[in-house]
Parts: sequence; C-alpha cells; structure tokens
Amino acid sequence: KQEVTQIPAALSVPEGENLVLNCSFTDSAIYNLQWFRQDPGKGLTSLLLIQSSQREQTSGRLNASLDKSSGRSTLYIAASQPGDSATYLCAVTRPGANSKLTFGKGITLSVRP
Amino acid sequence: ETGVTQSPTHLIKTRGQQVTLRCSSQSGHNTVSWYQQALGQGPQFIFQYYREEENGRGNFPPRFSGLQFPNYSSELNVNALELDDSALYLCASSLSPAGDTQYFGPGTRLTVL
Repeated sequence: KQEVTQIPAALSVPEGENLVLNCSFTDSAIYNLQWFRQDPGKGLTSLLLIQSSQREQTSGRLNASLDKSSGRSTLYIAASQPGDSATYLCAVTRPGANSKLTFGKGITLSVRP
Repeated sequence: ETGVTQSPTHLIKTRGQQVTLRCSSQSGHNTVSWYQQALGQGPQFIFQYYREEENGRGNFPPRFSGLQFPNYSSELNVNALELDDSALYLCASSLSPAGDTQYFGPGTRLTVL
C-alpha cells in the first residue's frame, strides 16, 4: 500500500528565504507526482506535475524534483513571500486504469513579513 | 474556460440523513474523481467516474455512491450520515483517467451534527 509522508507538518520562515519542502513515498512504482497548494478551507491548486520519467519541473519561483528510486520529491520555493503562506501537499498516482491520487498530510508554510 | 465548480459550498446535516453533493467538471474533461478531506489530513480517494461509469473506488462503504451524467458533471451521494462524515469533499476533473493533471474544485464543507 502506497504511503506518502511530508515532514515537518509546519514550517515558519522569514520573507525572502529560499526553502525546500520534502515528500517521500514508499512504493517507487509511480506514474507521476503532483504538488498542490491549499489555502485554508479552500480547494487544491495544482502547482507542478512530474511524470515518472522526468527528474524535475519548473514554474516561476517553484522547482520540483523527483528521485523515484529513493522515493523522494522536493519542492523548492525561491525568494519566499507572505503570499506563499499555505499548505503544500504532494500526491502520487500509480500506473493503472485510474488516476487515483494518494496524498501526504501536507506541510503548512508560514512566511513572516 | 470555466473551472471545476461544486455546490453547495457549505452544508449542515444530522446523523442518519442523506446528502447529495454536485460537481461540474472543467470543459473538455471526461473524468471526475471525488475525495474526502478530514481536518488536518490529506484528501482520501472515494471514487472516480469516467464516461458515466465508476472507474475505481477507495476504501469507503457502499453508502457512498456516485453518478456521472452525459455532460460529465457528477454527484456524490452519502446515505445514513455519521459524525465522521464531517469533512471537506473535493471533486477533481481531468482530461482522461490515465494520470493527467487533476484540477480541483473549491470543495463542499459538510458538517454532520
């Protein structure tokens, strides 16, 4: 059974800091990995999707990497801003007939002005 | 292009009642997945619908049921509500069931008293 872990559960950093959010998964037989952002009480916004054959994806100040063999992904946020404060979740899908996402519990990020 | 929409936004029910939640998928998307997110947890996969047929189900009892309509919108029905059903219910749509990016709606907050 696939398990996704995100540690720590919460993180507080000063504005302008570069930071890395970690995600680990137990079964390396994934189809892809997706990073989401969730504001309090809201739905999920897709940030980046990495296919299992890819090593990384970039969008603006965000860069996500994937090391399938070690079961790890990182989300790098450059020059953090208070508007980046949110919960960040990673999720994996497995090869197969449906795209069921298995999520971690998320990391709640607070960027202090 | 209209994104994923869900209704209602909030709902309060009592134990034993039945509830129907609705989701309109993003234009061109034929796949809808439903997730339950308890407070402080990552979303849990309930089931997926593809072209009006159930295409995979998570570890939820049969009192959780669904439908997908010819226009690819979807309903989630929950019978015999229990206190533990209180959660944010999220719907996501995608171009296909095979691992494309999933786009989430804003969610329906269900409270069971």
